[in-house]
Amino acid sequence: DIQMTQSPSSLSASVGDRVTITCRASQSISSYLNWYQQRTGKAPKLLIYAASSLQSGVPSRFSGSGSGTDFTLTISSLQPEDFATYYCQQSYSTPFTFGPGTKVDIK
Amino acid sequence: EVQLVESGGGLVQPGRSLRLSCAGSGFTFDDYAMHWVRRAPGKGLEWVSGISWNSNNKGYADSVKGRFTISRDNAKNSLYLQMNSLRTEDTAFYYCAKDRVGILTGIDNWGQGTLVTVSS
Repeated sequence: DIQMTQSPSSLSASVGDRVTITCRASQSISSYLNWYQQRTGKAPKLLIYAASSLQSGVPSRFSGSGSGTDFTLTISSLQPEDFATYYCQQSYSTPFTFGPGTKVDIK
Repeated sequence: EVQLVESGGGLVQPGRSLRLSCAGSGFTFDDYAMHWVRRAPGKGLEWVSGISWNSNNKGYADSVKGRFTISRDNAKNSLYLQMNSLRTEDTAFYYCAKDRVGILTGIDNWGQGTLVTVSS
């Protein structure tokens, strides 16, 4: 199975900050990488698919990059509604494993 | 608007069975692959299982392989998860989720989840 890691596991940031989250796969997954946001008590929401494609309706301050084993999610200017937990997930081969998550909270 | 509504969760004793259902609407159900994902209390997301649009391709997490079975009825716009030999570690919110396409790729819509509690 492909293992996914994320760093950091948590971070504190202020509104307006630029935030970067890293995801790493245990083997090459090409660009089969998705990013999700989950707010407390809510269902997850797709932000980025295929490593860098912005899901319809998602603000352009979210962007993704990378291929192979190393990927990045960037929030260019953090907004109050962005405080949440972020997960990467590989969809290269089943089981479609998630990373452990990165919790973004208010500094 | 895509809607996914899970049902069938509840309290069950270890070793027993439970069947989750998911009703899809707002999209052409048989065009898309579907998934089950869970989140245990205080833990992260775990992909449980997925099924292609025509049921020809299915996948399972190692933690549930041999105990859980995914299925779908396209005529009823419904997805199912049969869970047997339940363990306390299966306690979680279970989310029904829709894929972006007909084969297993990635999830683009999620239901609100149904809680399964496995306890004696």
